[in-house]
Amino acid sequence: KAGVTQTPRYLIKTRGQQVTLSCSPISGHRSVSWYQQTPGQGLQFLFEYFSETQRNKGNFPGRFSGRQFSNSRSEMNVSTLELGDSALYLCASSTTSGAGYEQYFGPGTRLTVT
Amino acid sequence: GENVEQHPSTLSVQEGDSAVIKCTYSDSASNYFPWYKQELGKRPQLIIDIRSNVGEKKDQRIAVTLNKTAKHFSLHITETQPEDSAVYFCAASIDHNAGNMLTFGGGTRLMVKP
Repeated sequence: KAGVTQTPRYLIKTRGQQVTLSCSPISGHRSVSWYQQTPGQGLQFLFEYFSETQRNKGNFPGRFSGRQFSNSRSEMNVSTLELGDSALYLCASSTTSGAGYEQYFGPGTRLTVT
Repeated sequence: GENVEQHPSTLSVQEGDSAVIKCTYSDSASNYFPWYKQELGKRPQLIIDIRSNVGEKKDQRIAVTLNKTAKHFSLHITETQPEDSAVYFCAASIDHNAGNMLTFGGGTRLMVKP
């Protein structure tokens, strides 16, 4: 099976702009989680989508949002970008939702905000 | 919420030696503990996981142990090889209807010297 894919792989944006990142899960996987990775804060959970519904949300401002489509592909959006949003954004897919289900990560989207 | 602490932050070993990375978690409701390996510029890769009904799990040169009473779990790598050099992350997940949220430790940079 093909792994988790993310597009684009690299993005450079200016403060105040908005950005949309895309994640395609492993075929048959219905849960997609998003994480932010930075050198200072490490890996932090953003949110999870399952069956087109947000299951859980981490401690991030409302500028961070997401959605999931009927084919399980997911997008996340960051509005009014700040310098501190520069990070590697990773998505992970799982067969279903619930603790104990293995999550497989995509390669990430490297976002740089200038 | 859950808090996961990981030690050491860096670990340097000689090829062939063993390496041990330790994590503690705060929420006794956590019941799923995966470990990820992230090589430079690559995605986190699930290498082993353990569930709270098991005390130890092995897969070739790697093993994970879990002590629920003390709320800590450890990764053991034997006969280390240069290709084991990477950053390792532990994580914990709580079993409730909140889905797949993983709380990560801060990571351990393992360097295996030939």
